[in-house]
Amino acid sequence: EAGVVQSPRYKIIEKKQPVAFWCNPISGHNTLYWYRQNLGQGPELLIRYENEEAVDDSQLPKDRFSAERLKGVDSTLKIQPAELGDSAVYLCASSSGTSGVTQYFGPGTRLTVL
Amino acid sequence: GEDVEQSLFLSVREGDSSVINCTYTDSSSTYLYWYKQEPGAGLQLLTYIFSNMDMKQDQRLTVLLNKKDKHLSLRIADTQTGDSAIYFCAEKPGSGGSYIPTFGRGTSLIVHP
Repeated sequence: EAGVVQSPRYKIIEKKQPVAFWCNPISGHNTLYWYRQNLGQGPELLIRYENEEAVDDSQLPKDRFSAERLKGVDSTLKIQPAELGDSAVYLCASSSGTSGVTQYFGPGTRLTVL
Repeated sequence: GEDVEQSLFLSVREGDSSVINCTYTDSSSTYLYWYKQEPGAGLQLLTYIFSNMDMKQDQRLTVLLNKKDKHLSLRIADTQTGDSAIYFCAEKPGSGGSYIPTFGRGTSLIVHP
């Protein structure tokens, strides 16, 4: 069974440019999470989806970040415009059910903003 | 708010046991987790423990929970070079039905021959 797939794996952009990350969760997992992991830190939740519905998005900086999961499967996280402080690894995870006892993480997208 | 603390580094010799410690502040935590992150990879769930348990063993891994002191530890027996990675402790709060985990900063385990 394929794990959580993320692309791209690496992205380098200049500040003020837009950027998008894509995630394909494990088949059948209805809950999807986006995390940001700064260097030397643990992951911090940005947003959680249950099917198509976004829940737990209080940590998402809504002035520049947006996310969607239109058909309840794949998800896209966008930043527009990117700032220097957005440099981090963006991790996607998925789980079955809403309690999320066991989350499966993708390899992440490493974003560098110059 | 919730806070999870871990020491940043641990260095052990191959074949020895490793003990990684974690403290947390949320007394309502229901699940406590240990994740492993290898370079360039996502987090891999190693094991988790319910807050009403005090010990869980899974092959070379032993998790000990002292709920009174809010202290969690992960013991790796017969540590191998392949165990070199960053280990994250995480806790899930007990209130509500959502899963918003709080992660520690991670402990970098270095295993040398």
